[in-house]
Amino acid sequence: DAGVIQSPRHEVTEMGQEVTLRCKPISGHNSLFWYRQTMMRGLELLIYFNNNVPIDDSGMPEDRFSAKMPNASFSTLKIQPSEPRDSAVYFCASSLTSGEQYFGPGTRLTVT
Amino acid sequence: GESVGLHLPTLSVQEGDNSIINCAYSNSASDYFIWYKQESGKGPQFIIDIRSNMDKRQGQRVTVLLNKTVKHLSLQIAATQPGDSAVYFCAENTNAGKSTFGDGTTLTVKP
Repeated sequence: DAGVIQSPRHEVTEMGQEVTLRCKPISGHNSLFWYRQTMMRGLELLIYFNNNVPIDDSGMPEDRFSAKMPNASFSTLKIQPSEPRDSAVYFCASSLTSGEQYFGPGTRLTVT
Repeated sequence: GESVGLHLPTLSVQEGDNSIINCAYSNSASDYFIWYKQESGKGPQFIIDIRSNMDKRQGQRVTVLLNKTVKHLSLQIAATQPGDSAVYFCAENTNAGKSTFGDGTTLTVKP
């Protein structure tokens, strides 16, 4: 298996633009997680899905952030409009329920 | 509220020495704990896990100890190597597989 796949690996955009991050989880995993990592706040859980259904989105910063999981093999995290303070590395991870998580390589987002 | 925290943000050891990384957790209902290693430019990687019905688990060069009485978790790395240099996170699994991560400890191995 190729592991968790994220795209793009790097994204540079201007403030106010829409940003869409993509994730393909490991085949057979039924849980998917979106995290944000910064030096100031560390690793933060934004949202997680179980069997394609959002279970906990309490970590989503504000209404500018949204996440979808239309099927078991694909998820998106969208920021609209983006702001400089959204600059961070965004990780997607997948797991079997209650198991260890497998992280993707991350997307480094820079908003200028 | 629930939190997982690391006692030491940085740890520096000589190559060949043993390393011990500590972690405190606050949710006594948690029943599954995981250690992850994050190398520069990569996502966290699973190292070893332990369930609450155990107090020790060993892997290859790594051992995790769990003390539920004081809600403490530790990761021991034997014969630390330069390739062990990374940030180490403990994570506490709550319901439905959600993990709460600690702040991380940076391990630096000096040759």
